[in-house]
Amino acid sequence: DGGITQSPKYLFRKEGQNVTLSCEQNLNHDAMYWYRQDPGQGLRLIYYSQIVNDFQKGDIAEGYSVSREKKESFPLTVTSAQKNPTAFYLCASSIVQNTEAFFGQGTRLTVV
Amino acid sequence: DQQVKQNSPSLSVQEGRISILNCDYTNSMFDYFLWYKKYPAEGPTFLISISSIKDKNEDGRFTVFLNKSAKHLSLHIVPSQPGDSAVYFCAASPNYGGSQGNLIFGKGTKLSVKP
Repeated sequence: DGGITQSPKYLFRKEGQNVTLSCEQNLNHDAMYWYRQDPGQGLRLIYYSQIVNDFQKGDIAEGYSVSREKKESFPLTVTSAQKNPTAFYLCASSIVQNTEAFFGQGTRLTVV
Repeated sequence: DQQVKQNSPSLSVQEGRISILNCDYTNSMFDYFLWYKKYPAEGPTFLISISSIKDKNEDGRFTVFLNKSAKHLSLHIVPSQPGDSAVYFCAASPNYGGSQGNLIFGKGTKLSVKP
């Protein structure tokens, strides 16, 4: 069954701790993305990757980091430098950049 | 400055009637447009798309219309069903299939279909 898997669905962390969100896809897509959704804000692009071992900052990359060591995996680390980390995080992939993106189920991160 | 605008945060429609969701964009170079549907606490799912060389695309109950001169697109759902209640996002591509830019999303419109 092809798709994008994000884990965990809910995540709680204490303020000041780094946390890594997992994203795996078995669609053989080259491009992968991380978005953040806040109420009334739509989807804002954090980072994207066109191909393995390459990634670029999106519109709101500050306080986040990513890696793309494997085609299937694009983990996102929310660092302590992110001022407002509590949000719903969405991972997506597409065959190549700028085509239909397919999304995972999301991870709700709450920092207390 | 928003390049893709969904000016109606919410829309309420009676079951069986038509739902019309609107989207405006500012960049005339956008060449591909998409609609996504999102339920609470889930990821968006791709619904329908349209290339800038077309003015209409239909898929079952869903039709997207594109008016390039007005920089406006709309999603029509006929007939509307309670299961259509969700947030709908409009998205635009500045360079479909190319390496420049990424999909740009509107802020979404919450559709409520009442039985």
